[in-house]
Amino acid sequence: AQSVSQHNHHVILSEAASLELGCNYSYGGTVNLFWYVQYPGQHLQLLLKYFSGDPLVKGIKGFEAEFIKSKFSFNLRKPSVQWSDTAEYFCAVNRKGGANNLFFGTGTRLTVIP
Amino acid sequence: GAGVSQSPSNKVTEKGKDVELRCDPISGHTALYWYRQSLGQGLEFLIYFQGNSAPDKSGLPSDRFSAERTGGSVSTLTIQRTQQEDSAVYLCASSSRQGAGNTIYFGEGSWLTVV
Repeated sequence: AQSVSQHNHHVILSEAASLELGCNYSYGGTVNLFWYVQYPGQHLQLLLKYFSGDPLVKGIKGFEAEFIKSKFSFNLRKPSVQWSDTAEYFCAVNRKGGANNLFFGTGTRLTVIP
Repeated sequence: GAGVSQSPSNKVTEKGKDVELRCDPISGHTALYWYRQSLGQGLEFLIYFQGNSAPDKSGLPSDRFSAERTGGSVSTLTIQRTQQEDSAVYLCASSSRQGAGNTIYFGEGSWLTVV
């Protein structure tokens, strides 16, 4: 069965600090990988996605993620966070060539202190 | 509309009552999804509709939960005989085509509280 693990439940950083949120998946097959973000009081939005090609993908607002197939990981990074990055971040996966339904991790809450 | 629209945004109901939650997907989107977001539980898949195909109901937690999609557009999620553990945010989402890799767009959710 598929699963997505986000081991960091709550991360607190000061502005300008670097960010890395972990995501590991377990899936029997090749996958597409996603990061979604939910800002306070807003709906989930796609931050970035990986389908194929360059394993380092860049998304909106300076975020990037690297797919490391050997580690079944898709960690999210940002070199310098801002207060406005305070949000909940969800990693998600679906099976390449399969249905479009996403399976999500439990989320990581990021709090950035000004 | 411009995005996925859900109603009501908030619903408080008494234990044992039935509730209906509505989702209006992005115009033209053929795929529609329902998820549940509970505190500390992340997003839990409930059900997935794709065009005229039979829905994937594998995520529905019990037979008290059902969903339908009329005319390939609007969907209603029904929870019968609500229980306190049903309290959660119910998220609807849609995508333009079937097949993995198509971006899924989420609504703002319906916050259900069962008292």
